[in-house]
Amino acid sequence: KNEVEQSPQNLTAQEGEFITINCSYSVGISALHWLQQHPGGGIVSLFMLSSGKKKHGRLIATINIQEKHSSLHITASHPRDSAVYICAVRSHSGGGADGLTFGKGTHLIIQP
Amino acid sequence: GAGVSQSPSNKVTEKGKDVELRCDPISGHTALYWYRQSLGQGLEFLIYFQGNSAPDKSGLPSDRFSAERTGGSVSTLTIQRTQQEDSAVYLCASSYRGTDYGYTFGSGTRLTVV
Repeated sequence: KNEVEQSPQNLTAQEGEFITINCSYSVGISALHWLQQHPGGGIVSLFMLSSGKKKHGRLIATINIQEKHSSLHITASHPRDSAVYICAVRSHSGGGADGLTFGKGTHLIIQP
Repeated sequence: GAGVSQSPSNKVTEKGKDVELRCDPISGHTALYWYRQSLGQGLEFLIYFQGNSAPDKSGLPSDRFSAERTGGSVSTLTIQRTQQEDSAVYLCASSYRGTDYGYTFGSGTRLTVV
């Protein structure tokens, strides 16, 4: 069983909708990352969280350490937000001494 | 450099041949990671270098895989006697110190073993 579970696996929405992508993990972590991977493979690090909430433009990431859960929100979604969003956690039980354990990603499509 | 550079961007090789993939991290980043992304799968950790410490090789899938990092900068991932299941995108990332500081990915090498 993957230590990092994302939902939904696929999401199609209309431009302007509010988007929520969820990530749950089963181990104690020191940091959680949200990554964005566009078609063609390039990966961009969006957020790194260890507690609370972070906001960058239309993107908001939250984490609840007690519940072992994080969410990534996109407000006023746009077709250019179409990508795979990946959650990754740094724990001491997997992923190497400093590597990360990754979710399988959420494939988001925003239709105009 | 300004970003993490990987080469080649694409590699097609015959089964049984050896391949070398190169990663040039951001200057000054002491941590370097190799990951693999197979079709339909999530990212899989392979190996981690931190400064002059011994690398963490716990993610390497078999002894056909090896990696080195010369002078704390450029890294080479070598796959010997390639198999079709080795076909994947191999991604390199670097970080100032470690993943608690955030990190930057290269654009990857797409390896196809035929």
